[in-house]
Amino acid sequence: DGGITQSPKYLFRKEGQNVTLSCEQNLNHDAMYWYRQDPGQGLRLIYYSQIVNDFQKGDIAEGYSVSREKKESFPLTVTSAQKNPTAFYLCASSRGQLGSGNTIYFGEGSWLTVV
Amino acid sequence: SQKIEQNSEALNIQEGKTATLTCNYTNYSPAYLQWYRQDPGRGPVFLLLIRENEKEKRKERLKVTFDTTLKQSLFHITASQPADSATYLCALDAGGFKTIFGAGTRLFVKA
Repeated sequence: DGGITQSPKYLFRKEGQNVTLSCEQNLNHDAMYWYRQDPGQGLRLIYYSQIVNDFQKGDIAEGYSVSREKKESFPLTVTSAQKNPTAFYLCASSRGQLGSGNTIYFGEGSWLTVV
Repeated sequence: SQKIEQNSEALNIQEGKTATLTCNYTNYSPAYLQWYRQDPGRGPVFLLLIRENEKEKRKERLKVTFDTTLKQSLFHITASQPADSATYLCALDAGGFKTIFGAGTRLFVKA
């Protein structure tokens, strides 16, 4: 079945360490996204990519980096510059521009905890 | 700035009753509004989309209304079941590839 696969489900980061969250989709969607979810807050957009080799900063991009070398893959790196990285991270995709009424498909999420 | 509000308090209802969740927004005129369901520790799942020129949308036991004058959407689950217990997120298009999500309302349906 088509969908979005995120890995790992649980990840622990030590102070000063960079970690990378994987996201793969087989929905043949052009657009992909990374959101962060904290308790009591709505999802916040970190980065998004409209097409391969292109990506744009979202509302909270500081301390994060992404790449989009393949249509299916959109990995997120949480760098040591992100001072409060403990959160639930969600990867998502859509067929096209959301303003056209396209819906967002989400992965199962990854929990990142700083130890 | 654009703001979207959902009732932060959990909603507790008895099985068989109708659950009604509210989504209010300010400083924006979205072309459409979406509702998602999220179970604990999992990603949100799309439920319904309603456009600005539609007043009501139905899907099985779900009904969504969209009042652009009041800047409000209501989400109804009729004949609720314990399996409907989850967090429900309201989302508005913010233009292009951006969507604004509410924090969600937690629903508990008691058997």
